Amino acid sequence: ETGVTQSPTHLIKTRGQQVTLRCSSQSGHNTVSWYQQALGQGPQFIFQYYREEENGRGNFPPRFSGLQFPNYSSELNVNALELDDSALYLCASSLGGTTPDTQYFGPGTRLTVL
Amino acid sequence: RKEVEQDPGPFNVPEGATVAFNCTYSNSASQSFFWYRQDCRKEPKLLMSVYSSGNEDGRFTAQLNRASQYISLLIRDSKLSDSATYLCVVNRLPINKFYFGSGTKLNVKP
Repeated sequence: ETGVTQSPTHLIKTRGQQVTLRCSSQSGHNTVSWYQQALGQGPQFIFQYYREEENGRGNFPPRFSGLQFPNYSSELNVNALELDDSALYLCASSLGGTTPDTQYFGPGTRLTVL
Repeated sequence: RKEVEQDPGPFNVPEGATVAFNCTYSNSASQSFFWYRQDCRKEPKLLMSVYSSGNEDGRFTAQLNRASQYISLLIRDSKLSDSATYLCVVNRLPINKFYFGSGTKLNVKP
């Protein structure tokens, strides 16, 4: 196992609601990246946090926001949920935000928006 | 144009067969290359990193061709347990951001 944990494992919400997903990184890792994986697609980069600062962002609207805590755990918040937000949300931890390093994934949170 | 392109498959092969996947990437500044394996409804798991010199891990061999910007994965003596989706991944600085292909599905049949 990677040592990366995520909660909850599954979530059902309705359009317009807000959701918070949580991730604990592997011990010793200071970087957390979040990805969205729609059915049949590869994961798409949402953003990355390095030492509590946002270190880069993909092509996602501002209603996707995040946070990283001093213990390097992280949250992903999504406001005003849309049906297309239904996906598997993956967090990945790695060492350092500025080196091309391997990333280790948590089991994901499966979000369904009705 | 997508950053990383893969043939989605599925590749249906008998046990014991040898199967090869390729993927291409569009940005020549890409620095690190990986193959991840993803089982149905599970998270991606690192299969192997890919180096220009080529690398082997048991039945798996990965190769990188920087000039042509493609990455390959060869699986020899396929097992039923190899059935999964194989994701080709590249990353590059200034941040350690992964670009994933859509994955190639492999079904190994008895």
